[in-house]
Amino acid sequence: AQSVTQLGSHVSVSEGALVLLRCNYSSSVPPYLFWYVQYPNQGLQLLLKYTTGATLVKGINGFEAEFKKSETSFHLTKPSAHMSDAAEYFCAVSVNNNDMRFGAGTRLTVKP
Amino acid sequence: DGGITQSPKYLFRKEGQNVTLSCEQNLNHDAMYWYRQDPGQGLRLIYYSQIVNDFQKGDIAEGYSVSREKKESFPLTVTSAQKNPTAFYLCASSISGQGVELRFGPGTRLTVT
Repeated sequence: AQSVTQLGSHVSVSEGALVLLRCNYSSSVPPYLFWYVQYPNQGLQLLLKYTTGATLVKGINGFEAEFKKSETSFHLTKPSAHMSDAAEYFCAVSVNNNDMRFGAGTRLTVKP
Repeated sequence: DGGITQSPKYLFRKEGQNVTLSCEQNLNHDAMYWYRQDPGQGLRLIYYSQIVNDFQKGDIAEGYSVSREKKESFPLTVTSAQKNPTAFYLCASSISGQGVELRFGPGTRLTVT
């Protein structure tokens, strides 16, 4: 079965600095990969997803992620952090649409 | 504007009582899901349903029950058999197919004392 590991439960960056949130997956078949964002006491919102095709995926709010099959990774980046980016971020993997598996989450703090 | 509603936002119950969490969607999605979220553990799948009158257990179904009598509705009952029911519960829906994203509701925070 597929699984996801998010490295770092808590990441702290300064406003304007690069954001890098790490995600590694395990899957025996080509995976579909997702990043979601969650603000306190709210549901999750899709940031971006990779299905097939271009390995560099652009999402909302200036985020992007690159699918690297050789490294089984799907790290999330943003060139310049904004205070409004503070939230919890979840990486997820699915093979079929009924078995999406989520990582434990990474809480991003942005310092002024 | 389509979306998913979950009610109530906060729910308090005494130990030993069953409680039902509501989830309604007007997105015309075929599939619906219930996840449980605990700090540091991500989201874990409780139940999912691909069509009306059919549903399957997820990874942590014990102590929970669901029904899917209408396409729009997928209520979750937390029974007294659930050993540790205090958590944040998220309902989601999606269209059918592979590689599709989930659309989430705002969640219900259940506290059992």
